[in-house]
Amino acid sequence: DIQMTQSPSTLSASIGDRVTIICRASQSISDWLAWYQQKPGKAPRLLIHRASTLQSGVPSRFSGSGSGTEFTLTISSLQPDDFATYYCQQCKSYSWTFGQGTKVEIK
Amino acid sequence: EVQLLESGGRLVRPGGSVRLSCVASGFSFSTNAMSWVRQAPGKGLEWVAAINAGGGTTQYIDSVKGRFTLSRDNSKNTLYLQMSSLRAEDTAVYYCAKDILEWTLRGFFDSWGQGTLVTVSS
Repeated sequence: DIQMTQSPSTLSASIGDRVTIICRASQSISDWLAWYQQKPGKAPRLLIHRASTLQSGVPSRFSGSGSGTEFTLTISSLQPDDFATYYCQQCKSYSWTFGQGTKVEIK
Repeated sequence: EVQLLESGGRLVRPGGSVRLSCVASGFSFSTNAMSWVRQAPGKGLEWVAAINAGGGTTQYIDSVKGRFTLSRDNSKNTLYLQMSSLRAEDTAVYYCAKDILEWTLRGFFDSWGQGTLVTVSS
């Protein structure tokens, strides 16, 4: 199985900060990568797919980049609604796998 | 509006069985692949199983192969996950998720249900 590793595991930031989360795959996945946001007690929400395609309805402060084995999720200006846990996920090959998550906390 | 409503989660003894259901509305269920994704308490997300639009192709994570069976009834807009030989490590919230593309198993999930909790404990 392809292993997905996110860094950092926890991130403390302030409103207005630029935030970057890294996701690394154990082998090349081309651009078959998604990013999800999850808030406590809620289902995940798709933010980005195909590594850089913004899902409909997602604010433009979210962006994704990368291909192969290294990917980034960037929030250009952190808003109060963005404090949550973020997961990357590959669907290049079965079993589809998620990263362990990055919790974005208020600094 | 896309809606996915899971049900069937409960407390079950190790070795027992349970069937989860997910009723879909607001989109063309019969033309979309579907998956189940689970989340153990306080842990991350784990994809469990996927089924194509017609129901003829299924994929499973290794840890549930031979124990879980994924199926669908397109006439009822319903997805099922039959879970047997349950283990403590199967304890999780189980989410039903819709694939972003029609017809194909792609693996990007653009809509999720609210989840149903399965607890495996004696």
